[in-house]
Amino acid sequence: QQQVKQSPQSLIVQKGGISIINCAYENTAFDYFPWYQQFPGKGPALLIAIRPDVSEKKEGRFTISFNKSAKQFSLHIMDSQPGDSATYFCAASKETSGSRLTFGEGTQLTVNP
Amino acid sequence: EAGVAQSPRYKIIEKRQSVAFWCNPISGHATLYWYQQILGQGPKLLIQFQNNGVVDDSQLPKDRFSAERLKGVDSTLKIQPAKLEDSAVYLCASSQRLGSYEQYFGPGTRLTVT
Repeated sequence: QQQVKQSPQSLIVQKGGISIINCAYENTAFDYFPWYQQFPGKGPALLIAIRPDVSEKKEGRFTISFNKSAKQFSLHIMDSQPGDSATYFCAASKETSGSRLTFGEGTQLTVNP
Repeated sequence: EAGVAQSPRYKIIEKRQSVAFWCNPISGHATLYWYQQILGQGPKLLIQFQNNGVVDDSQLPKDRFSAERLKGVDSTLKIQPAKLEDSAVYLCASSQRLGSYEQYFGPGTRLTVT
């Protein structure tokens, strides 16, 4: 049962452009929505996260937009750089499940110079 | 602060053989997770420990997979016997306590079953 759906599967953006990755979830009990960045040969690293009581969170060039009624959230990468080229995973968690993460399928982002 | 350590980084075995992976979490982290990441997919939780007790192993294929965290620190994940479909990266993660949302991942062990 796929509880977190992520799109697109791959994304190519020019340097300086905006990268947008979308996720949708099913379980309304989820109360924590992180985004992870993974480089080849490395484990996922927490990038930014949001809770459902806010609609947007910004950290540097990275912004999460959250729409509770639509059960959707998205990652925006402003001024995308070649160093941002990686696989991005959205995830969802709920405290009552011991904070286990349910991941999306991932988006492979390529930022061309 | 040292991160999550895993070994080996790579392992190639034949089907029906056994294999074990080791994880050392961040010092002081009480909660430890093992995830399986099949190529092109997101990580999937196999088992979660709180100290040396199992919190959730509902997605662990218990006929062939086992895991332990005897002293509440290091953990081992074992597969016996391995199948071709077990080829994946096995990720270990830790967090400070149960209910702590921030999980820190190790580099993973890439297993290839031939």
